[in-house]
This record gives sequence, structure tokens and C-alpha cells, in this order.
Amino acid sequence: GQNIDQPTEMTATEGAIVQINCTYQTSGFNGLFWYQQHAGEAPTFLSYNVLDGLEEKGRFSSFLSRSKGYSYLLLKELQMKDSASYLCAVRDRDYQLIWGAGTKLIIKP
Amino acid sequence: IAGITQAPTSQILAAGRRMTLRCTQDMRHNAMYWYRQDLGLGLRLIHYSNTAGTTGKGEVPDGYSVSRANTDDFPLTLASAVPSQTSVYFCASSEGTGGSGANVLTFGAGSRLTVL
Repeated sequence: GQNIDQPTEMTATEGAIVQINCTYQTSGFNGLFWYQQHAGEAPTFLSYNVLDGLEEKGRFSSFLSRSKGYSYLLLKELQMKDSASYLCAVRDRDYQLIWGAGTKLIIKP
Repeated sequence: IAGITQAPTSQILAAGRRMTLRCTQDMRHNAMYWYRQDLGLGLRLIHYSNTAGTTGKGEVPDGYSVSRANTDDFPLTLASAVPSQTSVYFCASSEGTGGSGANVLTFGAGSRLTVL
């Protein structure tokens, strides 16, 4: 079966750096996505990786290793507004998105 | 404001009743999707439509139906609601469905449905 694993919950301090990991086992691979979802709101797109390596976008970076079935989302200079759930999703060989259950990130002052 | 509009925002429904969740987008996206989101689980695809006039079944289609008469609208119908259909439902759209490019999903604000 297809599976996306990410930690259920993480806690970090304002101003710090946090890394949210995602491992996947899917039938084929056509890209990996990270979405942010604030409580009670819709998911919004953060990043897309299709090739190995690091993609940087402001305070957020996303890394992919296809050979290891692994990705991480790195958030720098954490702000209180970064408190949210972070969803990892992989597009399989049929271009269907497989979603992880999400990681709830709690930021403390 | 461009995006996706879902209605209703929230609804409490008696088991056995019929319910239609509405979804309209104004981005002229080809593909549209319905997901349900339950605590502790990832988003699960119910039905999708790659283009107007076509629909397909996702991971959890039983008890749900959809139609795509035009590009903008993609309603989801529960013919006879059951308590296990209590969930938050998200409609989403993307410009395309695969091939090159990210084809990022844009989500509506969600419809919270409670079936008693």
C-alpha cells in the first residue's frame, strides 16, 4: 500500500528553527508537496519538489531525497503565526495525491 | 476575489437525509476535487473531475456522487447521509492534472458536516 509518515505533533520556540520530516512509500513518484493548514482553515500551498535537493523560499525550505523516500520542511526564524499543521503529499505514478496525516506545529514564546 | 467558494460552511443533518455541498471556482481551472478530512487521517479523495463533463472515483467514493456540468461548478451529493460521513469536506481545483508542472491545488474554505 501507499503510505506517508510524518510526526503527529512538534513544539518549537519563537525565533528558532524546526525541521518537519516526511517519509513516503508510494507507487511511483511525480512530485512532493508541502501545504500549511491553520486550524479551521483550508490548506495552502507552501512548496513543491520533484528533483533531489533543497528548494528555498524565504523562511521556508524543502528538501527531497527520492532514493530515500524522504523529505523535510525547514522553517527558520519561527513566528507565532507559523503555528499550524503542515501536510506532506506525494503525487504517485497515476498523478494522484497521497496525503500524510499532517504535523501539528506548536510555537511557544 | 479569485478562488473557490463552498457552501454551506457548516451543516447539521439527520441520518438518511439527502445533502448537496456546493463548490464554485472562478479561476477557470480544468480539474476539481472533493476531499474529506478527518482527525488523525490525511486528506482522502472522494471524487474528482479532470475536465468539465467527466468525473472519476477517488479513494472513498461510496455514498457520494458528483457532477461537472460546466467548468466552474462541482457539487457533491450525499444521497442518504450516515453518521460516518461526519467530516470536514474540502473542494479543490488545479489548472491541470499531471505531466509537467506542479498543478498546485487551491482549496475552498471547507464545509463542516455533522450527521446525527
